Amino acid sequence: QVQMVQSGAEVKKPGASVRVSCKTSGYTFTSYPISWVRQAPGQGLEWMGWIRPGTANADYAPTFQGTVTMTTDTSTDTAYMDLRSLKSDDTAVYYCATVVGSNPYWGQGTLVAVSS
Amino acid sequence: EIVMTQSPATLSVSPGERVTISCRASQSVSSNLVWYQQKPGQAPRLLIYGASIRATGIPARFSGSGAKTEFTLTISSLQSEDSAIYYCQQYKAWWTFGQGTKVEIK
Repeated sequence: QVQMVQSGAEVKKPGASVRVSCKTSGYTFTSYPISWVRQAPGQGLEWMGWIRPGTANADYAPTFQGTVTMTTDTSTDTAYMDLRSLKSDDTAVYYCATVVGSNPYWGQGTLVAVSS
Repeated sequence: EIVMTQSPATLSVSPGERVTISCRASQSVSSNLVWYQQKPGQAPRLLIYGASIRATGIPARFSGSGAKTEFTLTISSLQSEDSAIYYCQQYKAWWTFGQGTKVEIK
């Protein structure tokens, strides 16, 4: 079955960068885009962008242009999301997600806390 | 960017009552719409895809309808375990989410 397992929680200082990983299994990694979604505490879901592992092409939501980079490693079927110049309002749970057939699959989420 | 607008923001409903949540798209998304349920501390759970197709394992009391710009999620008879936040999301052009509707049990 499709699984998406994310890396553990991170605590970062303002101005730092963070990398969140998303290890996938159970489907053909290169065939489906992987999206990243952010959810700040008590807030809704915000799509950050996606990457097509087959081509490594990524599209980013305007809010995140210039601060996020999404990459993939097809040798390990893992996606990465790098967020730089962290601010306190980047504190959130970050999810990876993909849609295989008509079914979306989500990682368990990774809490990134930004605090001085 | 396609903007998704949900209403209402909050609903307080007695068990057994009918719940209706609306979602409006700023431009046509055809039937490229899903509904999620999210409970505290959990990832979103797919309820409906293709605007009206129930996902595997979802109880029949959940139904979706609509197309183009107007969509509705209906819970025909609210159960206590349905207390959650519900989101619509379009996937016609990238992804965008509605702001969520919190359903509380009265």
